[in-house]
Amino acid sequence: SQTIHQWPATLVQPVGSPLSLECTVEGTSNPNLYWYRQAAGRGLQLLFYSVGIGQISSEVPQNLSASRPQDRQFILSSKKLLLSDSGFYLCAWNALEDYGYTFGSGTRLTVV
Amino acid sequence: ILNVEQSPQSLHVQEGDSTNFTCSFPSSNFYALHWYRWETAKSPEALFVMTLNGDEKKKGRISATLNTKEGYSYLYIKGSQPEDSATYLCALNNQGGKLIFGQGTELSVKP
Repeated sequence: SQTIHQWPATLVQPVGSPLSLECTVEGTSNPNLYWYRQAAGRGLQLLFYSVGIGQISSEVPQNLSASRPQDRQFILSSKKLLLSDSGFYLCAWNALEDYGYTFGSGTRLTVV
Repeated sequence: ILNVEQSPQSLHVQEGDSTNFTCSFPSSNFYALHWYRWETAKSPEALFVMTLNGDEKKKGRISATLNTKEGYSYLYIKGSQPEDSATYLCALNNQGGKLIFGQGTELSVKP
């Protein structure tokens, strides 16, 4: 069966520090992978998606970047965090023929 | 820019009350509509995916309807229970793959 792992669950980072959040999927190959963020009081905003290794599409301009070094690994990064990067980050995947997502457990990021 | 709107933003009801939320979306290029239930500190849980105009889906006390011509979907909860407290998210596929989410309706059910 397919599973998705996301870590860490919580993170408190100072402004200006780097960020790396990791997401891995098991039990499937060539998944579509997504990074979403929920900022305080707002809905889920799509940040990045990837349909294959090295293929990244950015939905909104921001202080973050994403990479897909392996088929089932999706990484969200920042070189220097801003206060506005605080939020709840969710990784998700689906297969080409699926309609819906399976979500990871999320990372609560607080930038202080 | 594709916009998915949900109302109300929050809802407080008493145990036993029935309630409903609305999701509005552009009716052009419709592909599929999803409802998710999201509890704090957990992953969103898929409730329904609907693709056809007039679709009605039901899971226990929760049901949903879809009108793709006018661009809306309703989620109904019959006899709300405290464990129904969560944020209910609506999301739209219009090109397969990507989902565009509404801001959610936060439901609080008081015993």
